Amino acid sequence: ETGVTQTPRHLVMGMTNKKSLKCEQHLGHNAMYWYKQSAKKPLELMFVYNFKEQTENNSVPSRFSPECPNSSHLFLHLHTLQPEDSALYLCASSPYPGLAITGELFFGEGSRLTVL
Amino acid sequence: ILNVEQSPQSLHVQEGDSTNFTCSFPSSNFYALHWYRWETAKSPEALFVMTLNGDEKKKGRISATLNTKEGYSYLYIKGSQPEDSATYLCAFQSNAGGTSYGKLTFGQGTILTVHP
Repeated sequence: ETGVTQTPRHLVMGMTNKKSLKCEQHLGHNAMYWYKQSAKKPLELMFVYNFKEQTENNSVPSRFSPECPNSSHLFLHLHTLQPEDSALYLCASSPYPGLAITGELFFGEGSRLTVL
Repeated sequence: ILNVEQSPQSLHVQEGDSTNFTCSFPSSNFYALHWYRWETAKSPEALFVMTLNGDEKKKGRISATLNTKEGYSYLYIKGSQPEDSATYLCAFQSNAGGTSYGKLTFGQGTILTVHP
């Protein structure tokens, strides 16, 4: 139990659907992250939020839309996805923005997305 | 584009064997090197965050060394047990300023399987 909860754990959607992934952290952290892991590729950073403000968008297509209403919740809204977007999406949090003071990342268990 | 390489990609050992694997990373703009352990269907969990050249860290039977001048880190597992079976990820943290500060670049991981 890392204190970072992701829902749903599995999601199957068609290319025209709209769905959302949710992440909640109970650790009092101030930074939250979305990572993507595609098959046989390293974990890839998508977005960073520090104190609810987006500070990093790693050239992610606009069909992925993040939302951070408060420091404890992070959403990833999905719209008009492609089959190649099928992947494991991991949420993480850290105590401080920019991983200052060598803070580690605390990960959720991930949401496995399949786009048909 | 930062290059973080891990070798080997996968490793099968017998219970009781000691093993080690390597993470190679850029030798410039170094801030920290992270090791994470990721068991199947669970969340990645931080093992070590290493910041100083020559650093050695230990947690139980697992230890790690760091050489920032030549850009590599070794992870050692002494007397492997089946419960050590997992993917071991390393991640390079750059000290580049601005929004890139604190971003982690992950390697592809080493998949360790320990056979009883």
